Amino acid sequence: NAGVTQTPKFRVLKTGQSMTLLCAQDMNHEYMYWYRQDPGMGLRLIHYSVGEGTTAKGEVPDGYNVSRLKKQNFLLGLESAAPSQTSVYFCASSHRDRGLMGSNQPQHFGDGTRLSIL
Amino acid sequence: SQQGEEDPQALSIQEGENATMNCSYKTSINNLQWYRQNSGRGLVHLILIRSNEREKHSGRLRVTLDTSKKSSSLLITASRAADTASYFCATAIIVDYKLSFGAGTTVTVRA
Repeated sequence: NAGVTQTPKFRVLKTGQSMTLLCAQDMNHEYMYWYRQDPGMGLRLIHYSVGEGTTAKGEVPDGYNVSRLKKQNFLLGLESAAPSQTSVYFCASSHRDRGLMGSNQPQHFGDGTRLSIL
Repeated sequence: SQQGEEDPQALSIQEGENATMNCSYKTSINNLQWYRQNSGRGLVHLILIRSNEREKHSGRLRVTLDTSKKSSSLLITASRAADTASYFCATAIIVDYKLSFGAGTTVTVRA
């Protein structure tokens, strides 16, 4: 059981380049999330999805786009990379609580993508 | 903005000692969750405590929640070297799909 798998694990980009980070989960989770983690700032939510074909903005969405065409995959795109987007990116997923709306279940995380933009 | 804030930022203890860290938050919550992150790895869920609960245990972990003070604590008893990690609290507000994470407490357990 792989859980949440992120690819690639490391990447170096030049300013202005584009790339897509892939997240795949095999737990049949309804919710998926993209976070970035910077030193001393904890995790900040970029975008999230509560189901196939739906996405929503998080706390820091600017400069990023996402897509969830299949339930098990959540893609994070950087259209024109900037040095400020140098960070560690984490994907997470969770079940939907049947009785309540909202984040009532534990989130399962991948091991991250370390992205450097020069 | 971060909803939860952990205290202290860093903690160094001897193996076998207990470690306590605290989390304060600003708005009413539906639940509060604690996560552990080992160096270079993703976060691992430890405990979820709902707003109507006051205390939960899981192995050597004990979590308390005081909604009147908007605070929570995580106690690790009889610490081991393997407990060396960063610990994060995360809050979920009612009818919201997101978790808000604090900046974390870095715990170092010395052998």
